[in-house]
Amino acid sequence: DAKTTQPPSMDCAEGRAANLPCNHSTISGNEYVYWYRQIHSQGPQYIIHGLKNNETNEMASLIITEDRKSSTLILPHATLRDTAVYYCIVRPRGGSSNTGKLIFGQGTTLQVKP
Amino acid sequence: NAGVTQTPKFQVLKTGQSMTLQCAQDMNHEYMSWYRQDPGMGLRLIHYSVGAGITDQGEVPNGYNVSRSTTEDFPLRLLSAAPSQTSVYFCASTVGGGQGAVGYTFGSGTRLTVV
Repeated sequence: DAKTTQPPSMDCAEGRAANLPCNHSTISGNEYVYWYRQIHSQGPQYIIHGLKNNETNEMASLIITEDRKSSTLILPHATLRDTAVYYCIVRPRGGSSNTGKLIFGQGTTLQVKP
Repeated sequence: NAGVTQTPKFQVLKTGQSMTLQCAQDMNHEYMSWYRQDPGMGLRLIHYSVGAGITDQGEVPNGYNVSRSTTEDFPLRLLSAAPSQTSVYFCASTVGGGQGAVGYTFGSGTRLTVV
């Protein structure tokens, strides 16, 4: 499975956009990029995923580079409640024996400051 | 719609005791997984299942057993609890097969202390 690299921590001012980078240079053609976050000691929360096109939902936007070796999660207007650990994960598409296997790295701790 | 339900929420065990952590989902998800999270650390995959009757090991399977007799339930058994198994345990599920490109739903966790 492809590995991901994220900065250990980032700060963001409340109301500003938070841009969280992820490097996945060994990603293969059948692997999606997923983003989750974990607020304090709660269970992780799914945010967004993508294959090769940019994606947007009510929570965030995901920008994937053309070569798919890196991506950026964008929280357009960060609030204090967005303070969390953000995980970037690569996972095979459906039909692979590894599809059920979701491996977490260390993630990025995002601190949103007033 | 309850989602992923984990019981109990808190548990204290003595070293050597055994117990089962329960996980149930009502979303007809094929894939289910168990994770542990030690204080200040990330999540580590213990075991996972891609359907009833099918289980496989994750990153840290030693000391744990699982079975998947129904689609809804995926219990995690601690055979002989050790202090090193003190952790927060999360269960998660998602649809499987060709619809694998969907996010996992996580339970709220079971906080286990082994003394």
